[in-house]
Amino acid sequence: ETGVTQTPRHLVMGMTNKKSLKCEQHLGHNAMYWYKQSAKKPLELMFVYNFKEQTENNSVPSRFSPECPNSSHLFLHLHTLQPEDSALYLCASSQAQGTSSRGETQYFGPGTRLLVL
Amino acid sequence: RKEVEQDPGPFNVPEGATVAFNCTYSNSASQSFFWYRQDCRKEPKLLMSVYSSGNEDGRFTAQLNRASQYISLLIRDSKLSDSATYLCVVNAFNAGNNRKLIWGLGTSLAVNP
Repeated sequence: ETGVTQTPRHLVMGMTNKKSLKCEQHLGHNAMYWYKQSAKKPLELMFVYNFKEQTENNSVPSRFSPECPNSSHLFLHLHTLQPEDSALYLCASSQAQGTSSRGETQYFGPGTRLLVL
Repeated sequence: RKEVEQDPGPFNVPEGATVAFNCTYSNSASQSFFWYRQDCRKEPKLLMSVYSSGNEDGRFTAQLNRASQYISLLIRDSKLSDSATYLCVVNAFNAGNNRKLIWGLGTSLAVNP
């Protein structure tokens, strides 16, 4: 399945590095999401973009910076991360935010497994 | 009370067994409900949406009880391939009155031969 793709799939970075995660959806959706998944914790919503406008920033530290140039692409820019930021970062898309149940159904990319040393 | 609460399990059942999971939610205004499945080291995938009248898809049946604020998932005739974590998902509203999904921690199921 290639509806939502993410690159890279794995990333190891030092605390002083700058890197970017990329997500692309081929489903014609208008909402895109970044989630963080850590062990023993539920999925944590980080950011939401609906029709390219950011509608959610869930108190995410500024060392994470999202960018949504169009409805098909979403980036997460990373800089000066901490070891506790190591996690699986998942991108998802849906038809649009705040619509019907069908419109809210989210489809996920395979994730980027990030390790911060 | 957590916004979405699930028994983390693990549930260990033999092949062919029937197993049921419950999930409770705290926001009485929630309108959309889903069950997702997540395999080890993979992304969540939609299993089924949960409608107010309940719905069935093959061996899987989902029920919604608004009065008690819980949803359930029943799996009949369990297969080895059903082994996964089952995530309960409920929508809610953020500070800007935009809808968002709240995810449960998941219930781990292991189906044994």
